[in-house]
Amino acid sequence: DIQMTQSPSSLSASVGDRVTITCRASQGISNYLAWYQQKPGKVPNLLIYAASTLQSGVPSRFSGSGSGTDFTLTISSLQPEDVATYYCQKYNSAPLTFGGGTKVEIK
Amino acid sequence: EVQLLESGGGLVQPGGSLRLSCAASGFTFRKYAMTWVRQAPGKGLEWVSTISGSGGGTYYADSVKGRFTISSDNSKNTLYLQMNILRAEDTAVYYCAKFGDGGYCYTDSCRGWFDPWGQGTLVTVSS
Repeated sequence: DIQMTQSPSSLSASVGDRVTITCRASQGISNYLAWYQQKPGKVPNLLIYAASTLQSGVPSRFSGSGSGTDFTLTISSLQPEDVATYYCQKYNSAPLTFGGGTKVEIK
Repeated sequence: EVQLLESGGGLVQPGGSLRLSCAASGFTFRKYAMTWVRQAPGKGLEWVSTISGSGGGTYYADSVKGRFTISSDNSKNTLYLQMNILRAEDTAVYYCAKFGDGGYCYTDSCRGWFDPWGQGTLVTVSS
């Protein structure tokens, strides 16, 4: 099975900083990758699918890139409401595995 | 508006059984694959199982294969997860989710992202 590895597992950044989270697949998955945001105590929410397509209603400061095995989620200017754990998920075929998550905090 | 409402969680002893339900509304249920995802306390997300819109294709994580059964009733717009031989490590919040537009199932699997998610139901396996 394909493994999904996220890095870092946590980060602390200042408001306005550019934040980048990486997700690596152990085998190529084309662009079949989604990103989710889970705020503390809340339900996961879809941010991006097809590696780079922003879900409707998601702020444009979020962006995704990559294909094959290496993917990134970027927050161009970190806001206080972005405090959350972010997960990548591969969906090319079952098992529809998630990465381990990246916890983002404000410095 | 799409709504997903899980129910059926609770406290169960190791080795016991539980059936979760997810009542769906706001979309044509039979046209979408549906999925269960769980989250153990303080841990990350774990995909559990997916079923195609027709119900003809079912897929499971290795950790639950042979113990859990996913099913759906298109006449009731409801998704189910029958959980048997429960273990302490099955303790988690269980979320149901709809496949996003553009998701689809093919011969051997389903392919799609999850949107939206229900509020979740807590399953605790403990003596």
